Amino acid sequence: GAVVSQHPSRVICKSGTSVKIECRSLDFQATTMFWYRQFPKQSLMLMATSNEGSKATYEQGVEKDKFLINHASLTLSTLTVTSAHPEDSSFYICSARDRGGLFDTEAFFGQGTRLTVV
Amino acid sequence: AQKITQTQPGMFVQEKEAVTLDCTYDTSDQSYGLFWYKQPSSGEMIFLIYQGSYDEQNATEGRYSLNFQKARKSANLVISASQLGDSAMYFCAMSEGFDSGGSNYKLTFGKGTLLTVNP
Repeated sequence: GAVVSQHPSRVICKSGTSVKIECRSLDFQATTMFWYRQFPKQSLMLMATSNEGSKATYEQGVEKDKFLINHASLTLSTLTVTSAHPEDSSFYICSARDRGGLFDTEAFFGQGTRLTVV
Repeated sequence: AQKITQTQPGMFVQEKEAVTLDCTYDTSDQSYGLFWYKQPSSGEMIFLIYQGSYDEQNATEGRYSLNFQKARKSANLVISASQLGDSAMYFCAMSEGFDSGGSNYKLTFGKGTLLTVNP
């Protein structure tokens, strides 16, 4: 199946700094990628939909100025957590759909990034 | 109202036995997709099985089958011959507006069921 690679898998940063997370589709073109956040022992909550070449669409309650999303190419979307605070500590995971491939009914997920802000 | 409801926070099953994980959904769309994912402690989301709203037959993938009852709006996952490696969180998810292009397959997840397989 298609592969989505997410980097880094773990990051610890100081409060007030920014952290960039990358999500790459390795063997297919993803015009749309999705960013989710998962707090411990909770479900995945969609943060935003990332569209190649255009602005991301944010879900209600998600601060677009804090969670910057850039989808500059068909294989790469980035999420930057700006001025991170301890309450931003969470598991961030991206997904992508291979719209034109064999696995059109499947959403592929990256490995996730565990962010800890100290 | 919850779009995806998983009423079992935790389930236990003996190795080699079958187990059913419940999932009910709520949508007014005619076209939608239902997914099951497995999330081990490492955090990755592993796709298990998919059922489209227009699919007449229940989906099957190896030891996984989806018991799709459209009128009841339920999409239960059945795992046959459980293995110790099946112990994980299991999430049911739905995408609405399938093929409409509007939602672009964004998924709404249930709260999950933690499955523990006992030896």
